Amino acid sequence: DSGVTQTPKHLITATGQRVTLRCSPRSGDLSVYWYQQSLDQGLQFLIQYYNGEERAKGNILERFSAQQFPDLHSELNLSSLELGDSALYFCASSVEGTTINSPLHFGNGTRLTVT
Amino acid sequence: TQLLEQSPQFLSIQEGENLTVYCNSSSVFSSLQWYRQEPGEGPVLLVTVVTGGEVKKLKRLTFQFGDARKDSSLHITAAQPGDTGLYLCAGDNYGQNFVFGPGTRLSVLP
Repeated sequence: DSGVTQTPKHLITATGQRVTLRCSPRSGDLSVYWYQQSLDQGLQFLIQYYNGEERAKGNILERFSAQQFPDLHSELNLSSLELGDSALYFCASSVEGTTINSPLHFGNGTRLTVT
Repeated sequence: TQLLEQSPQFLSIQEGENLTVYCNSSSVFSSLQWYRQEPGEGPVLLVTVVTGGEVKKLKRLTFQFGDARKDSSLHITAAQPGDTGLYLCAGDNYGQNFVFGPGTRLSVLP
């Protein structure tokens, strides 16, 4: 058990809809990372938050947004969903705001299916 | 954009065999990590290598970081069915984020 909790585990929704994925980091971790994993793209970095502030941005679409709350949990919002957004979405947490000597601890992911 | 390539993409072997998987990039990374991911779960960290030329052993797994810190290898001795999974390498982009390779999917048959 990594200590990182993601909900829901599975999500099925229709194109055009909006969903929210939730992540609770490991106790004591201040950084939260969001990754998207699909069969043809592998693990793609979306965005990182550190202690409530956005720290780094990757290949995140404008239709997607995220935030980290004062209690350090994070939410990833996906809107105007398209079929191609179907993927596994992982949250990972780490102690530091930098990746140096601060390994990632991953949750078990949310499987999103857009029909 | 930093990219990591992994080879082979798929590997199916018999229990007891040895194997090596590779992680390569044209970019230099400050450190490199190896993760194993099993179906329905998130990746789990196996090791972090930091120094060029560094070799780390974890039971039957041996990890090596290239001298130029652009590549790495993972060698498994006497593979067991429990080693089955997706092996991912991830490069640390100098503190900004981790760049993941596409993975090597290993299947060890009993």
